Amino acid sequence: DTGVSQNPRHKITKRGQNVTFRCDPISEHNRLYWYRQTLGQGPEFLTYFQNEAQLEKSRLLSDRFSAERPKGSFSTLEIQRTEQGDSAMYLCASSLLRTGSSGNTIYFGEGSWLTVV
Amino acid sequence: GNSVTQMEGPVTLSEEAFLTINCTYTATGYPSLFWYVQYPGEGLQLLLKATKADDKGSNKGFEATYRKETTSFHLEKGSVQVSDSAVYFCALSGYNFNKFYFGSGTKLNVKP
Repeated sequence: DTGVSQNPRHKITKRGQNVTFRCDPISEHNRLYWYRQTLGQGPEFLTYFQNEAQLEKSRLLSDRFSAERPKGSFSTLEIQRTEQGDSAMYLCASSLLRTGSSGNTIYFGEGSWLTVV
Repeated sequence: GNSVTQMEGPVTLSEEAFLTINCTYTATGYPSLFWYVQYPGEGLQLLLKATKADDKGSNKGFEATYRKETTSFHLEKGSVQVSDSAVYFCALSGYNFNKFYFGSGTKLNVKP
């Protein structure tokens, strides 16, 4: 079990450019989440997938943001036409949801820092 | 709706002092409750959890009890170490675990 892996860990981009982050969840985890965290704040929910289906998106996720999880394995989060307000850490997490279980736990990756200049 | 409120930090303690970080929540239904810890430049790591009322989660000397009557899940440790310096997040998950709600975090500084 290698944990949740994210890359790149750091990205500096110019305003208006597109960026893409990748997340590899813990193998066999059927749920994958994206969160955004700014300095001094807790993580804010962006979206989540169950297998390959994107089941919910936050209103924070403007139409410049898109996430995919082809084949229910890794996921990508793309931000188009970046703005300075997009500067944050983007966290990916995964979990294994078992029917009838309680106490589902999500496991986070180390995050991808985005700085838009 | 669902939300989590934590005491504001930073909290500064001397080594071996007693720690309490307050967390209260608002939730529909019966949430599960969690504490996560974040070290500088890293993602969040699960510290402990509790899935129903009166459950006590514990790990590495930290404890928290799920109190439904006071809607609280306060984090405690009897004797903190310098290595416990980090940001601590209280969180809850909804009924079908489709979303986790986090507090704003409490920074803990432990001095030698």
